[in-house]
Amino acid sequence: QKEVEQNSGPLSVPEGAIASLNCTYSDRGSQSFFWYRQYSGKSPELIMSIYSNGDKEDGRFTAQLNKASQYVSLLIRDSQPSDSATYLCAETLYSGAGSYQLTFGKGTKLSVIP
Amino acid sequence: DAGVTQSPTHLIKTRGQQVTLRCSPISGHKSVSWYQQVLGQGPQFIFQYYEKEERGRGNFPDRFSARQFPNYSSELNVNALLLGDSALYLCASSLVLGQKLSGANVLTFGAGSRLTVL
Repeated sequence: QKEVEQNSGPLSVPEGAIASLNCTYSDRGSQSFFWYRQYSGKSPELIMSIYSNGDKEDGRFTAQLNKASQYVSLLIRDSQPSDSATYLCAETLYSGAGSYQLTFGKGTKLSVIP
Repeated sequence: DAGVTQSPTHLIKTRGQQVTLRCSPISGHKSVSWYQQVLGQGPQFIFQYYEKEERGRGNFPDRFSARQFPNYSSELNVNALLLGDSALYLCASSLVLGQKLSGANVLTFGAGSRLTVL
């Protein structure tokens, strides 16, 4: 059973602080990882993707991938109240016949306190 | 450009009924996937369709079926509804099949159809 594990939280950080979100995965063959943000009652929105070991930065967001430890993280710098949402970690799995699917973790709820 | 559009946005059904959910992908996207998200959980893969053929299926019972039309739109059908089918049903589109979900071929989700089964 391929699994993606996340701490469900809630994770509370003060405004302006760094929020650190973590994710582990079980399939050593996984190559593509994604972070989606989901506001309450809305659909997931892609914010970061990462495919290689190391860091990838995009504005206030940094994704980190460590394939040896099977670990993915998302750092949000200068956290804002508008970053309050559930963050979903996902990996890509090949499901045959040319089909790739996403396997999601349960998500971590982040609250940024003004 | 319109994103992925889904209808209806909300619906209420009773146990044993049948439901049909509809999805139109982003213009130019040929692959449609369906995911189920139960409250408090991450989305779970149900189906992927490409060129009107089922190309991937998740661990869901045969009560769940889908199809894709020549214009790449899709329908998800659920028969004999159970209380546990209450969820947000998400449709996602991607450009093509056979490539990793990366770069220009990432999944983009629609707003979802929220199904409540009483």
